[in-house]
Amino acid sequence: NAGVMQNPRHLVRRRGQEARLRCSPMKGHSHVYWYRQLPEEGLKFMVYLQKENIIDESGMPKERFSAEFPKEGPSILRIQQVVRGDSAAYFCASSPLDGGNTIYFGEGSWLTVV
Amino acid sequence: AQTVTQSQPEMSVQEAETVTLSCTYDTSENNYYLFWYKQPPSRQMILVIRQEAYKQQNATENRFSVNFQKAAKSFSLKISDSQLGDTAMYFCAFTPVGSNYKLTFGKGTLLTVNP
Repeated sequence: NAGVMQNPRHLVRRRGQEARLRCSPMKGHSHVYWYRQLPEEGLKFMVYLQKENIIDESGMPKERFSAEFPKEGPSILRIQQVVRGDSAAYFCASSPLDGGNTIYFGEGSWLTVV
Repeated sequence: AQTVTQSQPEMSVQEAETVTLSCTYDTSENNYYLFWYKQPPSRQMILVIRQEAYKQQNATENRFSVNFQKAAKSFSLKISDSQLGDTAMYFCAFTPVGSNYKLTFGKGTLLTVNP
């Protein structure tokens, strides 16, 4: 059973470009979460999605960031007009349909803005 | 709002010895979960151990065990018979029951196991 799959693992963008990070949850999982880890920090919650629905986006920055989890395909975290402060590790996690009480993380995507 | 504090930015231990990592948290919730995650140099987040607050018995997973003191809001991780592969950042995390996806993490403790 494959784990949470994220790609790309590493992404370099110039200031002002767009970054798209993809996440495929574990098989049988229908809940997806995105977290961000800034340098020297722990992970911070960004957004919780189910298929075609955003359930909780209380941790998302108000501008330039968006997330989706379409009916078909992976979840995508999109950052428009990236700035140096967006450089971070972005982790996706998933959990089963019944919610459960543990979420499982992917290996993360490292965004570097130059 | 919940907060998680890890007061030890770095620790080191000799191989085969025992080490304890500290974590305290602050919450007004009565029902919640506590976790320890490991982040090795590969940077993947790996669940080490989980504790339900309503359970008085401390969780154990092989060489990893916790000392959960609910009244003191303390949740320390003990690693016995430390191995070189235990070298990693260790994060303590908290989540209330009902919003179990919204973990609050501490800033981490970098553990180095020396040969």
